[in-house]
Amino acid sequence: QVELQESGPGLVKPSETLSLTCTVSGGSISSYYWSWIRQPPGKGLEWIGYVSNSGSTNYNPSLKSRVTLSVDTSNNQLSLKLTSVTAADTAVYYCARGFTDWGQGTLVTVSS
Amino acid sequence: EIVLTQSPGTLSLSPGERAILSCRASQSVSSNYLAWYQQKPGQAPRLLIYSASSRAIGIPDRFSGRGSGTDFTLTISRLEPEDFGVYYCHHYGSSPWTFGQGTKVEIK
Repeated sequence: QVELQESGPGLVKPSETLSLTCTVSGGSISSYYWSWIRQPPGKGLEWIGYVSNSGSTNYNPSLKSRVTLSVDTSNNQLSLKLTSVTAADTAVYYCARGFTDWGQGTLVTVSS
Repeated sequence: EIVLTQSPGTLSLSPGERAILSCRASQSVSSNYLAWYQQKPGQAPRLLIYSASSRAIGIPDRFSGRGSGTDFTLTISRLEPEDFGVYYCHHYGSSPWTFGQGTKVEIK
């Protein structure tokens, strides 16, 4: 069974870049689409985008200008970069295999 | 962008009762690519239903989904204590993927 684990800084300063990694175990990253979703505290879910095993991407238009998703097949990892963050980017960030299997999520707070 | 509207916002029920949750899309969901998730506090969403009516692996048969086009429902035939939480619908048929705002199922 595939397992996903997000990791990265829990605190990011405004205007800086948020960078997260998702490590995939129990399955190869060389298949499927891999998604990122976020959830502000106490609020609903927002799709950020997905990246395919070949590296092609599809982003939420609301974030497209600031987000970059990529895959590292040699290390079975995904990465998310979100630039110019503000307090509105404070959320739990999840990675997922397609839309089926999700990681536990990691809270990222944007604050000075 | 397809907007998903869930109703009701909150459902207050007792164990053993039936829960019916609604998800209405602003336009037709292609290939009925509509999923339902359950989320409990501090946990990631758990996939219950995909393709509108297919149960995910390990999901009890008291959970069932139906619908097509723009109208979808999730039914929990007999609520168990562990079924209380927030339920989200989600479409993945076209970009951008979107989620409904959630229905909270709480103990009456």
